[in-house]
Amino acid sequence: NAGVMQNPRHLVRRRGQEARLRCSPMKGHSHVYWYRQLPEEGLKFMVYLQKENIIDESGMPKERFSAEFPKEGPSILRIQQVVRGDSAAYFCASSRNTDTQYFGPGTRLTVL
Amino acid sequence: DQQVKQNSPSLSVQEGRISILNCDYTNSMFDYFLWYKKYPAEGPTFLISISSIKDKNEDGRFTVFLNKSAKHLSLHIVPSQPGDSAVYFCAASARSSFGNEKLTFGTGTRLTIIP
Repeated sequence: NAGVMQNPRHLVRRRGQEARLRCSPMKGHSHVYWYRQLPEEGLKFMVYLQKENIIDESGMPKERFSAEFPKEGPSILRIQQVVRGDSAAYFCASSRNTDTQYFGPGTRLTVL
Repeated sequence: DQQVKQNSPSLSVQEGRISILNCDYTNSMFDYFLWYKKYPAEGPTFLISISSIKDKNEDGRFTVFLNKSAKHLSLHIVPSQPGDSAVYFCAASARSSFGNEKLTFGTGTRLTIIP
């Protein structure tokens, strides 16, 4: 029973490029959450999605960031025109309903 | 505004003794609390949770206590083992409020078990 999958595990981008982070939830889970962890800090909520719907995006920066969870395929977190401050670990979590969230291994984004 | 606080950044405990990690929260809407364990370069691993209708939940060596009036919860690990060395995060959500299931995390406590 595979857990939450994230890819890539490491991503290096130059300033101004786009970053795409992918998350496949656990089997049977239809709720997906994205969190960001800056160095030496706790995880901060970004966005909560169900299939084809954004439920809560209160933690997403207003510009350059977007997320989707299509009917087929993984959830995607997209960061356009990356800046150095976007360097962080991005974690995806999934849950069956409003129950416990299980986390993936994360994508470590480095912006040069 | 830090709604979930873990005031001890680090804790060292002798192997075999009890480890007690503490967490305080300020938002009275929180009704579901979780503890996660995290190793470097990995995602958080779920340990144990507790609903606000309970004051204690136990799973093997891990017990979580909730004191709603004090807005305080703690995680007890007994006996502590070297493999327990990790960063522990407390998290909370307002699960009964639709669309508000997001987790609010504390800043973590680094637990080191001394052999």
